[in-house]
Amino acid sequence: SYDLTQPLSVSVAPGQTATITCGGDNIGIKNVHWYQQKPGQAPVLVIHRDNNRPPGIPERFSGSNSGNTATLTISRAQAGDEADYYCQVWDSRTNVFGPGTKVTVL
Amino acid sequence: EVQLVESGGGLVQPGGSLRLSCVASGFRFRSYSINWVRQAPGKGLEWVSYISSSGTSIYYADSVKGRFTMYRDNANSSLFLQMDSLRAEDTGVYFCARDAAAGLNWFDPWGQGTLVTVSS
Repeated sequence: SYDLTQPLSVSVAPGQTATITCGGDNIGIKNVHWYQQKPGQAPVLVIHRDNNRPPGIPERFSGSNSGNTATLTISRAQAGDEADYYCQVWDSRTNVFGPGTKVTVL
Repeated sequence: EVQLVESGGGLVQPGGSLRLSCVASGFRFRSYSINWVRQAPGKGLEWVSYISSSGTSIYYADSVKGRFTMYRDNANSSLFLQMDSLRAEDTGVYFCARDAAAGLNWFDPWGQGTLVTVSS
């Protein structure tokens, strides 16, 4: 099975940049998608296919993917960005989620 | 508005069964693959199963294979998850989530979820 790794938590000061990594074996050849989940809510797609933002997602959210690491970057972080973030890939007829990263804005 | 609404969750004893439903609206249901994703209390997301738009391809996570059955009714824009031989570790919120389009394996949108509790 394909495994993804993420840091348990990331802290960022308001206005600064948060970087969330998603590690996997040669993940650079896969399409990586990212979701934001706030407490008590369903996840929301924030990035698809490595670096594409759906309509309505601020430009402050961006992504990249190369080698063994995909990255979600949140620029000019705001209090409203506090949430859990999950990466996801499709591999061998299964969808795989990373364990999630809690982003704290303080 | 594109929408998915789950129902059917509840409290069930270990070894029991439950059937979840997901009703879609606002889009051409028969053209999209759909997934079930679950989340145990305080834990991360876990993909459960996938069904293609026609229902001919169905995939399951190893943790539920042989116990859960996913199927769909395109005429009524509905999706189902039959869960048998339930275990305590199946407890959690179950979300249905639409694939973005044929062959595009990201999830958008998601339903609000339905809670399944397996306990004696």
